[in-house]
Amino acid sequence: TQLLEQSPQFLSIQEGENLTVYCNSSSVFSSLQWYRQEPGEGPVLLVTVVTGGEVKKLKRLTFQFGDARKDSSLHITAAQPGDTGLYLCAGVGEGSGNTGKLIFGQGTTLQVKP
Amino acid sequence: NAGVMQNPRHLVRRRGQEARLRCSPMKGHSHVYWYRQLPEEGLKFMVYLQKENIIDESGMPKERFSAEFPKEGPSILRIQQVVRGDSAAYFCASSPRVTRMNTEAFFGQGTRLTVV
Repeated sequence: TQLLEQSPQFLSIQEGENLTVYCNSSSVFSSLQWYRQEPGEGPVLLVTVVTGGEVKKLKRLTFQFGDARKDSSLHITAAQPGDTGLYLCAGVGEGSGNTGKLIFGQGTTLQVKP
Repeated sequence: NAGVMQNPRHLVRRRGQEARLRCSPMKGHSHVYWYRQLPEEGLKFMVYLQKENIIDESGMPKERFSAEFPKEGPSILRIQQVVRGDSAAYFCASSPRVTRMNTEAFFGQGTRLTVV
């Protein structure tokens, strides 16, 4: 069974601080996606990474896919209160490439205090 | 281009009743997924459908749950004889294509089922 371990589960920081969220597995993933979910809403896709070692930037957010495609990280620079939310990583397992079904991490709840 | 539409947003059912959850994928998307999010847990895959066909239902409970995606109309997730443990948020996602290297899924706002 493929699992994605996300850490930390909860993070409370002050506005302006930097933070990193990790997503780790012992399994290889064909691709990995990061989502953000607001209370009462569905997950919203932030980015997809496909190639080992790939780095993508989205304003103050930097996403990295591990060289072996087993792990990923999300780094936020100078966090703002608007970044508050639940961040989810999700991967398509190597054996699931033909179905596209996602395996989700447990999520990281981020709170940025003004 | 409207996003993935799910209805109802909230559904309350008494134990033993049936729940029907609807999902209209994004225009042009023929791949539909259903996920369940239990309180304090992450999203878990339930079923993957492509027009009129169930491709992968490995995450569906063996009894009481069924899904369909007819040629015309929305995808339906049906739960018969609901029990309190079925209370959860059910999310539908759609995708325009499924490839080995890159499948992007776009989620609806979910249906929150409460069984009383």
